[in-house]
Amino acid sequence: SQQGEEDPQALSIQEGENATMNCSYKTSINNLQWYRQNSGRGLVHLILIRSNEREKHSGRLRVTLDTSKKSSSLLITASRAADTASYFCATDASGGSYIPTFGRGTSLIVHP
Amino acid sequence: DAGVIQSPRHEVTEMGQEVTLRCKPISGHDYLFWYRQTMMRGLELLIYFNNNVPIDDSGMPEDRFSAKMPNASFSTLKIQPSEPRDSAVYFCASKVSGGGQPQHFGDGTRLSIL
Repeated sequence: SQQGEEDPQALSIQEGENATMNCSYKTSINNLQWYRQNSGRGLVHLILIRSNEREKHSGRLRVTLDTSKKSSSLLITASRAADTASYFCATDASGGSYIPTFGRGTSLIVHP
Repeated sequence: DAGVIQSPRHEVTEMGQEVTLRCKPISGHDYLFWYRQTMMRGLELLIYFNNNVPIDDSGMPEDRFSAKMPNASFSTLKIQPSEPRDSAVYFCASKVSGGGQPQHFGDGTRLSIL
């Protein structure tokens, strides 16, 4: 079974708008990572947030983590057409082998 | 720097044929993963290796699937005999050990079994 589940499954917005994706997971984690997958390509790592962190920024990306709710969110500000992709969260369970488990992803379409 | 290299990028074959997918991980990475991605099931972990040793193959769907890593720079995923339900995109990924280390993915092999 998959540890992380992204929500919504699909998101369609206009260029310049913000996009927010959420990830929920079931068990305690050490780290949570977000990846992007462009059509026909492999996943690319975007950002890591550790279990003792609450928020992290990288360029137009903002990630939050709420371990009490077992959830994370990825915010992309001022979206661009090039942000069109699928976004996945991956968690590695605490006490485990640091092997990340992926959700099903959120498909984001940014209309120019 | 070269990333994870997979071959072939596309494979179309008839059911019953043997299929071999290949992967060259990033030099220095000691973990290697094989995933399968479909619309129905998402991204599934099939097997992973640490220092060329298979650690967890519980995701391998059937005995028709096998994976090897004869050395640190090469791995294969073999399906014999192949079936139409094996059609999917197969990804290889590698990483260095340690919590939070990112996985680096290849661009996948799109496999179609007719």
